[in-house]
Amino acid sequence: ETGVTQTPRHLVMGMTNKKSLKCEQHLGHNAMYWYKQSAKKPLELMFVYSLEERVENNSVPSRFSPECPNSSHLFLHLHTLQPEDSALYLCASSQEGQGGDTQYFGPGTRLTVL
Amino acid sequence: GENVEQHPSTLSVQEGDSAVIKCTYSDSASNYFPWYKQELGKRPQLIIDIRSNVGEKKDQRIAVTLNKTAKHFSLHITETQPEDSAVYFCAASIVGPQGGSEKLVFGKGTKLTVNP
Repeated sequence: ETGVTQTPRHLVMGMTNKKSLKCEQHLGHNAMYWYKQSAKKPLELMFVYSLEERVENNSVPSRFSPECPNSSHLFLHLHTLQPEDSALYLCASSQEGQGGDTQYFGPGTRLTVL
Repeated sequence: GENVEQHPSTLSVQEGDSAVIKCTYSDSASNYFPWYKQELGKRPQLIIDIRSNVGEKKDQRIAVTLNKTAKHFSLHITETQPEDSAVYFCAASIVGPQGGSEKLVFGKGTKLTVNP
């Protein structure tokens, strides 16, 4: 499947490093999302970009910084992370509209913070 | 904000049996309820969804029911097969203040194991 791609697929970083996660969608959607998936926890919505404008930030720590340069690309910039930030980070996209729209997920980036 | 509860957290059935997973939501404004299946090491994928204007939807061995009054919805899998083994997530959407942009709130997931 190539609808939503994410790179890298795996990332190991130290707490002082700066790295970025990349997401790209090829579905012509106008909304993109970042989710965090930790063990034994539900999927947590981190950021939403709709029409390239960030419309919600669910009180995510400032060490996570999203960027959406256009409707097809989404980045998550990481700096001074903590070990508890280790998780699977999933990107998703959808075509925004009334009544709910299907979100399509990327394969995720498995992040380990040492 | 919206809160979605999902039960059970684990479910083990014999091949051929039925499996039922239940979710409740708190916000009566929610109008879209998808179910995602996540196999080990793979991304979540939509398997079925239901909107608030219908009470039941079926797709082959999978069905979803919605009770808006009670604010709960359920996933039913009949004639289960080993390949149905996965984690299933329910979700509910809330329409944003400007009337657009749905934000999915997920349940914690149910790990389904189908034993041959």
